[in-house]
Amino acid sequence: NAGVMQNPRHLVRRRGQEARLRCSPMKGHSHVYWYRQLPEEGLKFMVYLQKENIIDESGMPKERFSAEFPKEGPSILRIQQVVRGDSAAYFCASSARQGSEQYFGPGTRLTVT
Amino acid sequence: GQQVMQIPQYQHVQEGEDFTTYCNSSTTLSNIQWYKQRPGGHPVFLIQLVKSGEVKKQKRLTFQFGEAKKNSSLHITATQTTDVGTYFCAGLGGANNLFFGTGTRLTVIP
Repeated sequence: NAGVMQNPRHLVRRRGQEARLRCSPMKGHSHVYWYRQLPEEGLKFMVYLQKENIIDESGMPKERFSAEFPKEGPSILRIQQVVRGDSAAYFCASSARQGSEQYFGPGTRLTVT
Repeated sequence: GQQVMQIPQYQHVQEGEDFTTYCNSSTTLSNIQWYKQRPGGHPVFLIQLVKSGEVKKQKRLTFQFGEAKKNSSLHITATQTTDVGTYFCAGLGGANNLFFGTGTRLTVIP
């Protein structure tokens, strides 16, 4: 019974490159959430998606960041033209229903050099 | 907007001492969830409280949901080194969105 999977676990990008983070939710879960966590800080909500729909993107920066959850395949968080300030751990979580407990993936640690 | 605050931000305790973290919301919550994140790890769901005044126990952990459903607490009795980590509360608001608290980082000194 695989949990939430994220890849890559570590990603190094130079300033200006694109970062693409993937998340496969738990089997049977159709609700996906993305969070950002800076070192020594809490979880910052970014976006909430259901299959093919963005439900809430109130935590997403207006520029350079986008997310999708296609009918087939994993959810993708895309960061274009990365800057040093984008360095953080990005966690994906999934749930069976909106508002129910969330199961987190191991995270992707993004480092921008 | 909705906010969920936790205090304290940091807590150092001697092994064997008790520990409590408090969670306060600016608005009434449908439910409250608690998560634990070990250093270098990812948040792991611990428990959910739904009813006003509800109290739940998991071994040495006691979770409480306030009567007004705007605050909650997590109490650990006789801490152990395995309790080290950051404890987050998360409140479910009116729009069915989960708002995570700021977290309390617990250090247990052996």
